[in-house]
Amino acid sequence: SQELEQSPQSLIVQEGKNLTINCTSSKTLYGLYWYKQKYGEGLIFLMMLQKGGEEKSHEKITAKLDEKKQQSSLHITASQPSHAGIYLCGAEYNTDKLIFGTGTRLQVFP
Amino acid sequence: NAGVMQNPRHLVRRRGQEARLRCSPMKGHSHVYWYRQLPEEGLKFMVYLQKENIIDESGMPKERFSAEFPKEGPSILRIQQVVRGDSAAYFCASSPPLRGELFFGEGSRLTVL
Repeated sequence: SQELEQSPQSLIVQEGKNLTINCTSSKTLYGLYWYKQKYGEGLIFLMMLQKGGEEKSHEKITAKLDEKKQQSSLHITASQPSHAGIYLCGAEYNTDKLIFGTGTRLQVFP
Repeated sequence: NAGVMQNPRHLVRRRGQEARLRCSPMKGHSHVYWYRQLPEEGLKFMVYLQKENIIDESGMPKERFSAEFPKEGPSILRIQQVVRGDSAAYFCASSPPLRGELFFGEGSRLTVL
């Protein structure tokens, strides 16, 4: 079974609406990374979370890591068309690599 | 400071040919990772290399695929005798010696006819 699950798989929202993407790990995380990928392009780093209960914000995007360090959420406030893309969470366990979730495809329509 | 550079960006090969994908990490980065992204799927880890060493190749197919990161020059992902199922986007990422976030290249998109 998949170590890392993302939900929802896809999301279509109207501009201005808030949305949340979830990432759940079957094991305790050492770190959790959020990336954004525009269609046909590379990945852009958004945020990294390492401590239980940690929360970080950048512009209209907020990411949280739960106390048990097994679940993270990415919240976008007042979404804009520029937020459209694929959001990927990457889990760091006790190895030197990131394991990625399947991604969430976000579309924002006017 | 240039980012992670991958080339070619697009590559078309016929079944049975070889594909070579190159990755130059960011300056000062000694760790290189290769990932594969199949259409409509997430990123799958393939291999992690440091200069002249393969650290973790647990995600590499057992046959036809190989990777290297020589002392001088870019990291190379080599796929021999390509098949249609190899068609995918191959992403390279690099990180500094003490880890932290991975910096990704724009990817190389392989199409096998």
